[in-house]
Amino acid sequence: NAGVTQTPKFRVLKTGQSMTLLCAQDMNHEYMYWYRQDPGMGLRLIHYSVGEGTTAKGEVPDGYNVSRLKKQNFLLGLESAAPSQTSVYFCASGRKYEQYFGPGTRLTVT
Amino acid sequence: DAKTTQPPSMDCAEGRAANLPCNHSTISGNEYVYWYRQIHSQGPQYIIHGLKNNETNEMASLIITEDRKSSTLILPHATLRDTAVYYCIVDFTGTASKLTFGTGTRLQVTL
Repeated sequence: NAGVTQTPKFRVLKTGQSMTLLCAQDMNHEYMYWYRQDPGMGLRLIHYSVGEGTTAKGEVPDGYNVSRLKKQNFLLGLESAAPSQTSVYFCASGRKYEQYFGPGTRLTVT
Repeated sequence: DAKTTQPPSMDCAEGRAANLPCNHSTISGNEYVYWYRQIHSQGPQYIIHGLKNNETNEMASLIITEDRKSSTLILPHATLRDTAVYYCIVDFTGTASKLTFGTGTRLQVTL
């Protein structure tokens, strides 16, 4: 039982490049989330999903897209990376009241 | 506007109880109080949540005042592994909890 896994763990992008972050969970949770955490700050919700095939915007959705084609996976895409998207990205899955977080992806955009 | 106010840092001696306060004076009747913690740079970890009544689980106790304007997370016997940033979050939980993390309280447990 791996819980929540994130791929990749680290990535460096140049401005304008695109990439996809993968989140996978093996707990059969309906809800999945993507957050970002900037230095010295708390986490901010980017997008979330309440079930397979559904997505919704969170607090800071601009510049990101998501897809939930399979219940166990939640993908976060950056179409044209910007330096302001340098951050640590956390994925979470959960039931109604509890969220379980992955180890994070550290992304640097130069 | 911030929904919660927490002290930026606290110290606690190992083996003693750690009492972490949180002010949420604008909480509405259908909002829950959640506590999470983040150890170093790991992903946050769920601790406990409550609506009105005090709650206890294997990790901690949550004491919510009768007017629900503040709460206290209690770690009964703090250990060095409890050193972390603790987040108090208030959220209306409809279909899913969409958490807004502030800057939390950095708890340092010392020998």
